[in-house]
Amino acid sequence: DAGVIQSPRHEVTEMGQEVTLRCKPISGHNSLFWYRQTMMRGLELLIYFNNNVPIDDSGMPEDRFSAKMPNASFSTLKIQPSEPRDSAVYFCASSSQGGQGNSPLHFGNGTRLTVT
Amino acid sequence: GEDVEQSLFLSVREGDSSVINCTYTDSSSTYLYWYKQEPGAGLQLLTYIFSNMDMKQDQRLTVLLNKKDKHLSLRIADTQTGDSAIYFCSIGGGGADGLTFGKGTHLIIQP
Repeated sequence: DAGVIQSPRHEVTEMGQEVTLRCKPISGHNSLFWYRQTMMRGLELLIYFNNNVPIDDSGMPEDRFSAKMPNASFSTLKIQPSEPRDSAVYFCASSSQGGQGNSPLHFGNGTRLTVT
Repeated sequence: GEDVEQSLFLSVREGDSSVINCTYTDSSSTYLYWYKQEPGAGLQLLTYIFSNMDMKQDQRLTVLLNKKDKHLSLRIADTQTGDSAIYFCSIGGGGADGLTFGKGTHLIIQP
């Protein structure tokens, strides 16, 4: 299994530009999570999908952030317009039972976003 | 909401044991996990313990759970330079919220 695949690994963009982060979960996993990691706040859950349906987006910081999961093998996190304070490492993770029972999350290697 | 607390840093000498501690508030958690994050990488599952267990041992790793005090610890025996990483405590079994993570403990190995 290739694990959770995220792209790009690094993204540098200017303030105001649109940024799209991509994630391919592990095949067969029915839950997908987007996290953001910064030194100040640690690991924050942004949004969570179960069977392609957004379940909890209360962690999405602002309307500038949006996430979609058009099918079981692909998800995107979009920031429009981006701001310097969005600079962070964004992780995608998937699991087979949505965090219930013994269903640990499997993380991708993350996308390091820098907004100048 | 749930809260998971960890110390930010731990420094140990190579060859000594490392003990990383974690406290949490949600007593309904059924599984408690330890993740390891190496530089530039994502979090990798290290080990886990079911809430009805007090201890779990896996080679150099020992997980201790004190449910009464809501305290979880990870002991790494014979700490090596390759153990240098950030260790995250995480609790789950809460359904739609997935897992709640602590801020992570940076384990620093001194030669």
